[in-house]
Amino acid sequence: DTAVSQTPKYLVTQMGNDKSIKCEQNLGHDTMYWYKQDSKKFLKIMFSYNNKELIINETVPNRFSPKSPDKAHLNLHINSLELGDSAVYFCASSQGPFTISGNTIYFGEGSWLTVV
Amino acid sequence: GDSVTQMEGPVTLSEEAFLTINCTYTATGYPSLFWYVQYPGEGLQLLLKATKADDKGSNKGFEATYRKETTSFHLEKGSVQVSDSAVYFCALRSGGGADGLTFGKGTHLIIQP
Repeated sequence: DTAVSQTPKYLVTQMGNDKSIKCEQNLGHDTMYWYKQDSKKFLKIMFSYNNKELIINETVPNRFSPKSPDKAHLNLHINSLELGDSAVYFCASSQGPFTISGNTIYFGEGSWLTVV
Repeated sequence: GDSVTQMEGPVTLSEEAFLTINCTYTATGYPSLFWYVQYPGEGLQLLLKATKADDKGSNKGFEATYRKETTSFHLEKGSVQVSDSAVYFCALRSGGGADGLTFGKGTHLIIQP
């Protein structure tokens, strides 16, 4: 039983295309996130949602649009892909947002996006 | 703002050696501290955590103690194995209006037989 699952795991696509990465969590958590890991392994938060409502929207191009149809799902849609978008994208979830800092954030296995 | 600083490596050790990966942080309030591990080609897994000063997190032979006075959360293991080869991330979550984790840049650990 995978707690946080995301698809696809690998995605190779051409510049200018539009693609989506899907994420689902079966932990009953209220909060979900998208993180980006660059080629140097640096991890940075992109978005967080709590009960389908956007909480954090870091400085990311508006070509990136998260969509949360329900609190168990948070999909990431990327328009007009650029070479610099190549990275690993991690979905994550947590019980509760910022009121309890000790709640663990659980990560999916990552989606390796390569733009050619 | 919040930040985490950790040695970047790569750190190369022989099997059964003692491991220390340093991590220091800057945060407002009283953050919780975490170590995550990423094995080659895999996602992030929580290794251990500590939620208040002087707490010790431990798992799989790894330990880290939350030191508020030195704002540190160093990761230690007494005897490493080849299977410990991975990238280790120190992270904090400060709460109080901000969410998500702030990560260090990761330390690549290589254990040689």
